[in-house]
Amino acid sequence: NAGVTQTPKFQVLKTGQSMTLQCAQDMNHNSMYWYRQDPGMGLRLIYYSASEGTTDKGEVPNGYNVSRLNKREFSLRLESAAPSQTSVYFCASRGQMNTEAFFGQGTRLTVV
Amino acid sequence: KQEVTQIPAALSVPEGENLVLNCSFTDSAIYNLQWFRQDPGKGLTSLLLIQSSQREQTSGRLNASLDKSSGRSTLYIAASQPGDSATYLCASRTSGAGSYQLTFGKGTKLSVIP
Repeated sequence: NAGVTQTPKFQVLKTGQSMTLQCAQDMNHNSMYWYRQDPGMGLRLIYYSASEGTTDKGEVPNGYNVSRLNKREFSLRLESAAPSQTSVYFCASRGQMNTEAFFGQGTRLTVV
Repeated sequence: KQEVTQIPAALSVPEGENLVLNCSFTDSAIYNLQWFRQDPGKGLTSLLLIQSSQREQTSGRLNASLDKSSGRSTLYIAASQPGDSATYLCASRTSGAGSYQLTFGKGTKLSVIP
């Protein structure tokens, strides 16, 4: 059982380049999330999707867009990467409200 | 806005010792609280989930407690092992507005010395 799968695992971008981080879950979960993790800041929510067809902003949405492609997949797009977006990005999913959240292995992104 | 605090930021103990990790939160209106483990360069692994109606939850050598009225949760690790070395994170899900998101503490980095 794969759980939550993120691709790629590592990426280096130049300032101004764009890219899409992919996330897929095979647990038939309704809700999916994108977080970023920075030293000293902890994990902060970028965007979430409570169910297929809906997306909402989290704590730090500026500079990002998301697409809930179907129930399994939730992608995060950086349209014009900036050095401040250097971070480790985690995708997560959850079934019902009172159940566990499961996380992917992360994407380590460096913007130079 | 919910704030989650974990103290201490780092903890070093000798192998075999029992230990307690602390997590406090400002808004007691929570759905549940979840404890995670994160190894260096890895993702988050769920350890325990405590619902708001529960007082504690156990899994093997781990026991998590929840006291909503005081805004505190603890993770007790019995007979610690070097393999327990990792960063431990707690996260709360608040009921009401914003209930879809988890609010994380910054973690406690645990080192178990052989």
